[in-house]
Amino acid sequence: DAGVIQSPRHEVTEMGQEVTLRCKPISGHDYLFWYRQTMMRGLELLIYFNNNVPIDDSGMPEDRFSAKMPNASFSTLKIQPSEPRDSAVYFCAIKNGDTGELFFGEGSRLTVL
Amino acid sequence: AQTVTQSQPEMSVQEAETVTLSCTYDTSESNYYLFWYKQPPSRQMILVIRQEAYKQQNATENRFSVNFQKAAKSFSLKISDSQLGDTAMYFCAFMNWGHSGNMLTFGGGTRLMVKP
Repeated sequence: DAGVIQSPRHEVTEMGQEVTLRCKPISGHDYLFWYRQTMMRGLELLIYFNNNVPIDDSGMPEDRFSAKMPNASFSTLKIQPSEPRDSAVYFCAIKNGDTGELFFGEGSRLTVL
Repeated sequence: AQTVTQSQPEMSVQEAETVTLSCTYDTSESNYYLFWYKQPPSRQMILVIRQEAYKQQNATENRFSVNFQKAAKSFSLKISDSQLGDTAMYFCAFMNWGHSGNMLTFGGGTRLMVKP
């Protein structure tokens, strides 16, 4: 079974602080995606990786956002410094190459005060 | 760029009845995937059903079925015998076929409330 573990589930931080969100795929995959969900903008693709290499980061809103994938089993999304408008749910997802289906983690809810 | 539109922000249906959620999309591609995802209050994104554009037959998964009209670029979801557990946000999504088309583009979602 495909699966994605995200941490933390919830994080509350103050403006200006650094935030690191983590994603651990627990099954084989070729692609890994980071999405952001807000009430105003819905689900937006931030960045995706193919075989651990960033392919398209055009959705990353600002230089304050960065993402890494040092190996196939781990990825991070970092926001430094964080701002209140970054408050959202951040999803990590992996792609099943055979069916095209994306498998999502449970998301990390970020609140920046 | 592809766009996905869900024109119904909210819908409600009585338990055991049938409801149809609408979705239209815009693309110049001929090969692609279409999906419906469900997001319950737990916020987990769950795949409900998928359709390959080259298949003329509409996909069906138990109580869930789609009406795929390729020429009209329409992809509606029908939920039969609605259950309370179907209460959720439903997102229509589009993905291009092939190496360059790995991004999933979502519609704005439809909030479905199943009433007892």
